[in-house]
Amino acid sequence: DAGVIQSPRHEVTEMGQEVTLRCKPISGHNSLFWYRQTMMRGLELLIYFNNNVPIDDSGMPEDRFSAKMPNASFSTLKIQPSEPRDSAVYFCASRARGLAEAFFGQGTRLTVV
Amino acid sequence: TQLLEQSPQFLSIQEGENLTVYCNSSSVFSSLQWYRQEPGEGPVLLVTVVTGGEVKKLKRLTFQFGDARKDSSLHITAAQPGDTGLYLCAFPAGSNYKLTFGKGTLLTVNP
Repeated sequence: DAGVIQSPRHEVTEMGQEVTLRCKPISGHNSLFWYRQTMMRGLELLIYFNNNVPIDDSGMPEDRFSAKMPNASFSTLKIQPSEPRDSAVYFCASRARGLAEAFFGQGTRLTVV
Repeated sequence: TQLLEQSPQFLSIQEGENLTVYCNSSSVFSSLQWYRQEPGEGPVLLVTVVTGGEVKKLKRLTFQFGDARKDSSLHITAAQPGDTGLYLCAFPAGSNYKLTFGKGTLLTVNP
């Protein structure tokens, strides 16, 4: 298996622009998580899905952030409009049913200038 | 308030030295996980500890879960440059195993 695949690996955008991050979870996994990592705050859970349904989005910082999972093999995290304080590494992770181990993608490094 | 406190935040040592990093909380956990994150990569699970007082070994790494299941430690014997990375502890909460992470210990092992 190729593991969790995220794209793009790096994104540089200007303040105010829309940013879309993409994730393909491991086939057969039924839970998907979006995390944000910064030096100051560490790894923060933004939202997670179970069987394509958003279960907990309490970590989503503002209405500028939205996430979707239209099917079991694809999820997006969108920021509109982006701001410099959104600069971070965004990780997607997936997990198989009944297991606690999460498998992470390589992350998307977002820089908003 | 951070639910999981990890210490030290940074650690730089020479190859061959031993080290211990800690993960502490005032809460009781049913289990704790340790992950290692290398530069430019996502975290990778090293071990899950479940039973209070449990000790698990992974080659030169020894993981211990506190008797009260509120804390955990990771001891590395004879550290190597390949051990360099960010060590994160996490606990899975609820039936959906929602993972909450500590901020991690950034370990640098110098040759």
